[in-house]
Amino acid sequence: EDQVTQSPEALRLQEGESSSLNCSYTVSGLRGLFWYRQDPGKGPEFLFTLYSAGEEKEKERLKATLTKKESFLHITAPKPEDSATYLCAVQESGGGADGLTFGKGTHLIIQP
Amino acid sequence: ETGVTQSPTHLIKTRGQQVTLRCSSQSGHNTVSWYQQALGQGPQFIFQYYREEENGRGNFPPRFSGLQFPNYSSELNVNALELDDSALYLCASSFNRGLGTNEKLFFGSGTQLSVL
Repeated sequence: EDQVTQSPEALRLQEGESSSLNCSYTVSGLRGLFWYRQDPGKGPEFLFTLYSAGEEKEKERLKATLTKKESFLHITAPKPEDSATYLCAVQESGGGADGLTFGKGTHLIIQP
Repeated sequence: ETGVTQSPTHLIKTRGQQVTLRCSSQSGHNTVSWYQQALGQGPQFIFQYYREEENGRGNFPPRFSGLQFPNYSSELNVNALELDDSALYLCASSFNRGLGTNEKLFFGSGTQLSVL
């Protein structure tokens, strides 16, 4: 069973058309939820970390929110340069240091 | 401030061979982790090193092994390569204040490994 599920798999928007990406997760305890952006041929680039339900973070046209079961990445008035794959990842709480569990990502295309 | 650099960028090997991938961490970072990303998938955690010791491992067999050096550079070694090992291998560095914490990761651009 997937711990992190992202939807939609792909999304095509017109420039300026706002939308939201979803990340649902199932973990026994959440240490942190992370959003990354990945451009073709590059490694993921950090965007946000959220730690508790109700937390929100913003950066330019992006806003991330967190509930007990899911996170949303809201994109307001996107531009073509926002086109990328957006990855969500979780880290479970517990003893020791564990890596991040990533979803498969949402491939976002912003058309001019 | 230098970023995370990986070498080589591309590599072709045949089944059964061994491969070593290298990573230079971002300056000031003490933790390095490795991820495998298959085409169309999210990265999958292989293992993490903190102060030269492995302190976390994902669901990968022992033929995947690693090292972290005193200068915090790192290697990923894969023995007895299989066709399914073809993927993008990502190195990520971070600064952790203690075991169990995980600050934001800085990823390199990866090594694309093809196993024929």
